[in-house]
Amino acid sequence: QVQLVQSGAEVKKPGSSVKVSCKASGGTFRKYALSWVRQAPGQGLEWMGGIIPMFGTANYAQKFQGRVTITRDDSTSTAYMEVSSVRFEDTAVYYCAREDRNLAAFDIWGQGTLVTVSS
Amino acid sequence: EIVLTQSPGTLSLSPGDRATLSCRASQSISSSYLAWYQQKPGQAPRLLISGASSRATGIPDRFSGSGSGTDFTLTISRLEPEDFAVYYCQQFGGSPTWTFGQGTKVEIK
Repeated sequence: QVQLVQSGAEVKKPGSSVKVSCKASGGTFRKYALSWVRQAPGQGLEWMGGIIPMFGTANYAQKFQGRVTITRDDSTSTAYMEVSSVRFEDTAVYYCAREDRNLAAFDIWGQGTLVTVSS
Repeated sequence: EIVLTQSPGTLSLSPGDRATLSCRASQSISSSYLAWYQQKPGQAPRLLISGASSRATGIPDRFSGSGSGTDFTLTISRLEPEDFAVYYCQQFGGSPTWTFGQGTKVEIK
């Protein structure tokens, strides 16, 4: 059974960076694309970007272009999402999710990582 | 960019009732690319339906999806206590990109 396990909660000051990890176990990590989705307190789901297997090419929602970097290390079955110059409004739960392109859906999700931006 | 609009925002129903949730796209999309998720408080979303109408592994048959073009529906035939949650539709677009609707909360009346 494939699982995605994310790194723990973070508290960051405005203007700093935060990097969240997502480690896969129990499956063939390198075959799948991975996406990152965030959810601000009391709000809905927002797709941030994703990264494809093999070549590791990332693409981003326009809103996050230039401030978010998504990478992956297939040797350790881990994906990363870094947000630079964080703002108060980046306070949210960040999820990684496996993309199943055959289903055109996110079939497996990480447990979520709460990032709090506070001065 | 395709926008998904879900209605109603909140649905107040009783256990045993039928729930009908709507997801409308701003332009026609392939039904192959429309999915539904359930999210309970403090939990990650869970895939319910892909391809507009195919239930994911382990999803009870009281959940069903339908629709095409711009109008899609998630139906829960008889609400169980564990079904009270927030439901999101999602579309897979080109580039590739993904878009979520704003969600419908199904609450106990």
